[in-house]
This record gives sequence, structure tokens and C-alpha cells, in this order.
Amino acid sequence: GESVGLHLPTLSVQEGDNSIINCAYSNSASDYFIWYKQESGKGPQFIIDIRSNMDKRQGQRVTVLLNKTVKHLSLQIAATQPGDSAVYFCAEMRIETSGSRLTFGEGTQLTVNP
Amino acid sequence: NAGVMQNPRHLVRRRGQEARLRCSPMKGHSHVYWYRQLPEEGLKFMVYLQKENIIDESGMPKERFSAEFPKEGPSILRIQQVVRGDSAAYFCASSRTAGNQPQHFGDGTRLSIL
Repeated sequence: GESVGLHLPTLSVQEGDNSIINCAYSNSASDYFIWYKQESGKGPQFIIDIRSNMDKRQGQRVTVLLNKTVKHLSLQIAATQPGDSAVYFCAEMRIETSGSRLTFGEGTQLTVNP
Repeated sequence: NAGVMQNPRHLVRRRGQEARLRCSPMKGHSHVYWYRQLPEEGLKFMVYLQKENIIDESGMPKERFSAEFPKEGPSILRIQQVVRGDSAAYFCASSRTAGNQPQHFGDGTRLSIL
């Protein structure tokens, strides 16, 4: 079912530490996944994506891991900075006849302490 | 390189009025998506459009809501006879093609119903 009005999971880290944000997805037929960062008052900002034929992808300071066996996605942020404080959402793209809709997870509030 | 542009950023309406939300996709993008976000929740898909065509409107309420993406001009999400429950942030995203491509988001329109 869908979550309604639940508080966001939170993660608090010290500046310079590594952060790991986790996400469970629901549809084994999903073949494309994206992590977004959303700051207060703004729209989701693309961070990194991964296709289902991969299990790891690296960007600048970020790594996404995909475990299709348990339908789990994670985002690792190296050397977390105060500017990384935001809500992070995973999104999956389901294979539909019309294609292209994203289904978002519930989000994780990351707070970086100086 | 302008991103996805949405206007207005904030919109206040009284119950029973109409709300019109506009979205100009990124240059070169012909696929537009509308999502709705309630506080502390993830984004929920509403509708997917290409130029002059609605491809998937399965996430949009069948009454009072409509969307269009004309040959010229921005995409419009229209809500007639607004009710308090329509208060939310409405985000538009665009992509260059369909399928496994990142969707890039605007900063949203925050709709408040008095």
C-alpha cells in the first residue's frame, strides 16, 4: 500500500564521513533506477542513474549499488559535505505498455553536521 | 541552457476556482510528465504527454483535472473547481526520449487552496 503522511526516515552524519542511503523497490520488472536530491523549496535534482543490467555505477563522490535479488538500491556519498543536506529519493521506472512513468520511494532526510 | 521552467511558483486559489499550472520543458525535450507531492511524501505520477498527445493519464483524477501539451507553447495542467485537498506541490519533468532516460524536474508550483 502507499504511505500516507509518514515522517521521513532520517540520517544524520558528520561532515567528512561517508553516507549510505537505502531504498527498497517493489517491482522486479523495473529496469531503470534514478537517485534524486531535493532541497527545500526546489524540485528533485538528478544525481545518478543505473540500469538493471548493472550492479554498480560511480559518479563524482557518489556510487549507486543495485541488488536485484532482494530488490534493493543504495546511494553512497563519499566525504559528505553540508551542501549534501537534503531529502534523497530513489525512483524506479516500470515497464508499462505506455512506458516512462517514475515511481518514487518515500525519501530519506540527510542532515550533515559540521 | 535553461532547465525545466514552471510558473507560477506559488498559486493561491479559493475553493471552486480554477488553477492553471504551466511547464516549459528543457530545450530539445518533447516528453513531459506531471507529478504531485504532498508534504513529507514522495512524488506521485499524474500524467505523461508528448506534443499534442496524452500518452498515460492513469495517475490523474478523472474529474476536474486535465492536461495538454500543444504544438506550440508550454504544457498546461488545469484543475477546475479546486478543493482543499488539491493543495500540494506540482512538479513537471521533461526528457529527450521515452524509456530509460533521466527525467529533469522544474522547481514546481506550490498550490494553496483557501
